Amino acid sequence: AQKITQTQPGMFVQEKEAVTLDCTYDTSDQSYGLFWYKQPSSGEMIFLIYQGSYDEQNATEGRYSLNFQKARKSANLVISASQLGDSAMYFCAMRGGSNYKLTFGKGTLLTVNP
Amino acid sequence: DTAVSQTPKYLVTQMGNDKSIKCEQNLGHDTMYWYKQDSKKFLKIMFSYNNKELIINETVPNRFSPKSPDKAHLNLHINSLELGDSAVYFCASSPRPGGSKNIQYFGAGTRLSVL
Repeated sequence: AQKITQTQPGMFVQEKEAVTLDCTYDTSDQSYGLFWYKQPSSGEMIFLIYQGSYDEQNATEGRYSLNFQKARKSANLVISASQLGDSAMYFCAMRGGSNYKLTFGKGTLLTVNP
Repeated sequence: DTAVSQTPKYLVTQMGNDKSIKCEQNLGHDTMYWYKQDSKKFLKIMFSYNNKELIINETVPNRFSPKSPDKAHLNLHINSLELGDSAVYFCASSPRPGGSKNIQYFGAGTRLSVL
């Protein structure tokens, strides 16, 4: 079984500062993928970044980076230089290599203050 | 040019009615999904089709019936709507069903309110 845990229901950050959103996972699969999605107040789900379990380097996409620590089973999202438009719900998700299903965490609501 | 489009965006209806939500993707993907997001924002898979074949069928009341006329379309029909069906329903698609690097792209969601 796959499980995603996001322990921070809400986070606050000042504009232009960096913020880390926590995500831990549990799976028995050796091959798996980790994903982060953003859901702004308008409601759509936007794919942000992907990390494969066998990727040697941490994934980066613009201001987003994924701090992947395999031994600790964590896949934290780091947003650098926060902007007001980053205020949204952020979901961590995973899929095991043998599984069709994407399992989501409960999400973290990020608020960026001016 | 929207990649995954759902219609309608909002749906308000009475208990007991039957309604449908349509989804279309123009990404050329083989696999499509329906998710339900409840009032606490928790997202859960309901169904998935790969090239018109059902591959995921979670524990969902049989009042919910997905239909895939072709691999670019996956519609969701709901019979005898109940108050508990009120939620946001998301359609998504991905290039294939499995594999770890298989990004799912979501539609904008349909907010269903059952009165």
